[in-house]
Amino acid sequence: GNSVTQMEGPVTLSEEAFLTINCTYTATGYPSLFWYVQYPGEGLQLLLKATKADDKGSNKGFEATYRKETTSFHLEKGSVQVSDSAVYFCALRGAGGTSYGKLTFGQGTILTVHP
Amino acid sequence: EAGVTQSPTHLIKTRGQQATLRCSPISGHTSVYWYQQALGLGLQFLLWYDEGEERNRGNFPPRFSGRQFPNYSSELNVNALELEDSALYLCASSLGLSNTIYFGEGSWLTVV
Repeated sequence: GNSVTQMEGPVTLSEEAFLTINCTYTATGYPSLFWYVQYPGEGLQLLLKATKADDKGSNKGFEATYRKETTSFHLEKGSVQVSDSAVYFCALRGAGGTSYGKLTFGQGTILTVHP
Repeated sequence: EAGVTQSPTHLIKTRGQQATLRCSPISGHTSVYWYQQALGLGLQFLLWYDEGEERNRGNFPPRFSGRQFPNYSSELNVNALELEDSALYLCASSLGLSNTIYFGEGSWLTVV
């Protein structure tokens, strides 16, 4: 079945540092890829998405590129802020079989940004 | 436009009881999904309903069940509650299979 692997956390950075959170996936066919963010005590918010190979999703300074050759969708931001402190989830949406329709999530990466 | 709304926000139940959680999708969305987020276990897919039919089900026992109503709102029922059912239950919706899934704020279920 489909699976998503995220880099181990937690990640602790100083404000204005560069952020990379690695995400790799295993899937059949051509899944869509997503990054969701969960702020403390809240539900999930869609951060960005990419639906086909070489697509780049971007939002709020965050970017991720759908790399089919390396089955990766790494999240990057050039300069993080304290307000970016949250849990980040990489996810894919399958197109068939037992993964039909559902989102499969990585385990989540806790990001803490210090002033 | 209202997002995905869930109720109740918090629910405390005793082991062995039943819990019912409710979800209203974004207006116009026909698909509803349920996920469980237990502490330390990440997000686990429970159920997917589309146009009133169950389309996919995660690896959960039958005491987890649900339904989708004609107005596309949904209920998640958990029977014979166990302590390990304590979790945040997230509902999400989308306009069909090819569109983005949007999540609600979740319902916290505590089983004591």
